[in-house]
Amino acid sequence: EAGVAQSPRYKIIEKRQSVAFWCNPISGHATLYWYQQILGQGPKLLIQFQNNGVVDDSQLPKDRFSAERLKGVDSTLKIQPAKLEDSAVYLCASSFVRDIGETQYFGPGTRLLVL
Amino acid sequence: GQQLNQSPQSMFIQEGEDVSMNCTSSSIFNTWLWYKQDPGEGPVLLIALYKAGELTSNGRLTAQFGITRKDSFLNISASIPSDVGIYFCAGRAPGDDKIIFGKGTRLHILP
Repeated sequence: EAGVAQSPRYKIIEKRQSVAFWCNPISGHATLYWYQQILGQGPKLLIQFQNNGVVDDSQLPKDRFSAERLKGVDSTLKIQPAKLEDSAVYLCASSFVRDIGETQYFGPGTRLLVL
Repeated sequence: GQQLNQSPQSMFIQEGEDVSMNCTSSSIFNTWLWYKQDPGEGPVLLIALYKAGELTSNGRLTAQFGITRKDSFLNISASIPSDVGIYFCAGRAPGDDKIIFGKGTRLHILP
């Protein structure tokens, strides 16, 4: 079974530029998550989708971050404009069902460096 | 917001030694999870715990859900080189879908 795919793996941009990340979850997984992992920290949830609907985006900085999952499969996360503090690993995860006990499968992440 | 305090931050041990790490919270959780993250990869779930007092093993790994529901422990027996990595605890509070992660314990194994 193929895992969660993310691209690109690495991205270097200058502050105030825009950037987009792509995620393709495991086939059949209805729930998709985007996390931000700053160096030395654990992942922090940015947004959670159930199919193509947003379940939780309470920790998403909506003035600059946006995410969509239009067809309920793959998803994009965008930052516009980027700030220095956005340098982090952006992890995508997916799970089969949204209830207690589901296992989230993480992708390898996209490492973003904002200069 | 809720925070998990994970300790120790890092550990240096000899191959073959046992390892213990723990995670505490100021509020109760109804799910405790332990993940391992290797360099350049996403976290991988090791053990999931759903009931206070639950003790679960996965090979050389054993984790426990604390009786107070505010803590959890992970033990690794007879460490081997591939155990190197960052171990994260994570938890889910009652009525909340989000998983909150600790800051991780970085495990180093000396040859």
